[in-house]
Amino acid sequence: AQSVTQPDIHITVSEGASLELRCNYSYGATPYLFWYVQSPGQGLQLLLKYFSGDTLVQGIKGFEAEFKRSQSSFNLRKPSVHWSDAAEYFCAVVTGGGADGLTFGKGTHLIIQP
Amino acid sequence: DAGVIQSPRHEVTEMGQEVTLRCKPISGHDYLFWYRQTMMRGLELLIYFNNNVPIDDSGMPEDRFSAKMPNASFSTLKIQPSEPRDSAVYFCASSPGDEAFFGQGTRLTVV
Repeated sequence: AQSVTQPDIHITVSEGASLELRCNYSYGATPYLFWYVQSPGQGLQLLLKYFSGDTLVQGIKGFEAEFKRSQSSFNLRKPSVHWSDAAEYFCAVVTGGGADGLTFGKGTHLIIQP
Repeated sequence: DAGVIQSPRHEVTEMGQEVTLRCKPISGHDYLFWYRQTMMRGLELLIYFNNNVPIDDSGMPEDRFSAKMPNASFSTLKIQPSEPRDSAVYFCASSPGDEAFFGQGTRLTVV
């Protein structure tokens, strides 16, 4: 079965600094990959997704992620964070051709320091 | 489309009572998921449906939990009887086959 690992439970970043959130997956082939963001009291919102093609994908709110097959990783990045980016971030994978097996990581809680 | 709609947004109930959570998926989506989120366990998949048919309910904690999808536009998650440890935020999500779209969640508190 596939699995998703987000090794950082909490990350603290100063406002204006760069950000990288790590995500590793375990699956024999290339899955569909997603990053979701959850603001307090809200549902999950899709930031970006990777299905195939260019391994660097752009998302909303200035986020990007890079798929690295050799490392089984899909790390999320942002060059300069804003206080409003404080939230919980989830990496997720779908294996196979459909939504079967949609699996989420445990999440990374992002704290922004002024 | 208004997105995935869940009701109620908040529910407070006494231990032993029956609780029913409701979800209206996005029209045209073939998949519907029920998730539970707690601080301790994170986001857990409880059950999902494909074309109204339950596909995998291995995440349902125990027999007190049941889910139905009588048609393509409605699903329920029922807990009977409810217990304090069921307190959590329950999310419904729907998908056309790749990305999932989430509702705002139902915050359940069992006292």
